[in-house]
Amino acid sequence: NAGVMQNPRHLVRRRGQEARLRCSPMKGHSHVYWYRQLPEEGLKFMVYLQKENIIDESGMPKERFSAEFPKEGPSILRIQQVVRGDSAAYFCASSPGRTLADTQYFGPGTRLTVL
Amino acid sequence: DQQVKQNSPSLSVQEGRISILNCDYTNSMFDYFLWYKKYPAEGPTFLISISSIKDKNEDGRFTVFLNKSAKHLSLHIVPSQPGDSAVYFCAARLTGTASKLTFGTGTRLQVTL
Repeated sequence: NAGVMQNPRHLVRRRGQEARLRCSPMKGHSHVYWYRQLPEEGLKFMVYLQKENIIDESGMPKERFSAEFPKEGPSILRIQQVVRGDSAAYFCASSPGRTLADTQYFGPGTRLTVL
Repeated sequence: DQQVKQNSPSLSVQEGRISILNCDYTNSMFDYFLWYKKYPAEGPTFLISISSIKDKNEDGRFTVFLNKSAKHLSLHIVPSQPGDSAVYFCAARLTGTASKLTFGTGTRLQVTL
C-alpha cells in the first residue's frame, strides 16, 4: 500500500542547471498537486494536474518552471536554469479525484539545494 | 496576502494536557478545512478535516472546531502525547473546487514530559 513517492529526496544543482523532480501518486489517484515550502514558511501551491492536463497553474512562476503528468509514468516538475532562490522543499500530493472533498495525501518531498 | 493565518509559531504543552492550535482565515469562500501534521524532513500527514456545514469534527484524540462567523478554527488534541510534537499546518480549500490548498505558516507543538 505505497503512498505518494517522490524522487530524488535530495537534489543539489549549481546555478544555471536544470532540476527534475518526480512524483508517483498513490495507486488509484489521478490528481497531482505540487507545493513548495521555503524555509520557515508554509506550503505554497504551485500547480494542479490530472493525467495529460494542467488544471490550475496559478501558483507557478511564469518563467523557468513547468510541470507535466503524462499518461504513463510519474508527474515531473521541471525547473530550468535554477537560481539560489529556488532552494526549497518541493512536495507532491495526490488525490483520487472522485469528489470535491477528496483529501490530498503528501509525499516525503524533494529538498532542492542550489549552490 | 496571507489568507490563512496561524499566529502562534510555537506552543509547549505538558504530556496528558490539552493542546489547542488556532487558525484564522480571511476568505469567506473557503468551505473545507484540513489539519496536517509534519515531522522534520517528511511530508505533511493528514490529520482531520471539517466542512463548513459543520462546527465540529472528532477523530479519536483530535477534534476540530469551526466558527464560521469568526472565520476561526481550532484543533484540540487531548490528551497530548510526546509523539504529537511536530509542526501543525492548517489548510483551506475554496468552495466548489477540488484544487489547491491554502496553508497557514504552521505552529510548532512541543509536548513535554
